[in-house]
Amino acid sequence: SAVISQKPSRDICQRGTSLTIQCQVDSQVTMMFWYRQQPGQSLTLIATANQGSEATYESGFVIDKFPISRPNLTFSTLTVSNMSPEDSSIYLCSVESGDGYEQYFGPGTRLTVT
Amino acid sequence: AQSVTQLGSHVSVSEGALVLLRCNYSSSVPPYLFWYVQYPNQGLQLLLKYTTGATLVKGINGFEAEFKKSETSFHLTKPSAHMSDAAEYFCAVRGGSNYKLTFGKGTLLTVNP
Repeated sequence: SAVISQKPSRDICQRGTSLTIQCQVDSQVTMMFWYRQQPGQSLTLIATANQGSEATYESGFVIDKFPISRPNLTFSTLTVSNMSPEDSSIYLCSVESGDGYEQYFGPGTRLTVT
Repeated sequence: AQSVTQLGSHVSVSEGALVLLRCNYSSSVPPYLFWYVQYPNQGLQLLLKYTTGATLVKGINGFEAEFKKSETSFHLTKPSAHMSDAAEYFCAVRGGSNYKLTFGKGTLLTVNP
């Protein structure tokens, strides 16, 4: 399985500001995913990031709000822009396993917007 | 399209008792099914998965699940609960080669001494 780290692990931010979350994997992977887990809720896929191409966003998520970078096969960033209290969530990155069946998840970034 | 329904947002059992967490899915293609566990303030850990083949799958920590196509179910069981099993459990489905994972709303398992 892949070892995934995320930075920061948590942050408290003021509304109107932006936060960039980093995701680092210990092996090269083709597909990386970003999820949001709102308080007491399940996981919702924000976007899929492939190296060398634009991220693919799910319905309800837009690039201006959640820009994503994927500069190489082991790293990705998600920016939460112009934050509001409704953006308070856990943001998780994941990668697909080598056999392509399951996804492995990072520890998450707990974001609180005040 | 695919979806997951987890019956019971909160399940409470006594230590040593049977754990049964229910999951029903819908998928327009043969599904791949997963159970993940999330401990407090941690990410998700894969417990077990069904892709093809044997319908009874065994996972980590003594958990197992059975894929029942006729019932569109993938319930998670463990014969004897341990205090360390207390966590949130998520069932997830993907439609075959479609990489997108769809999660259920989760079931919080409480284990009482």
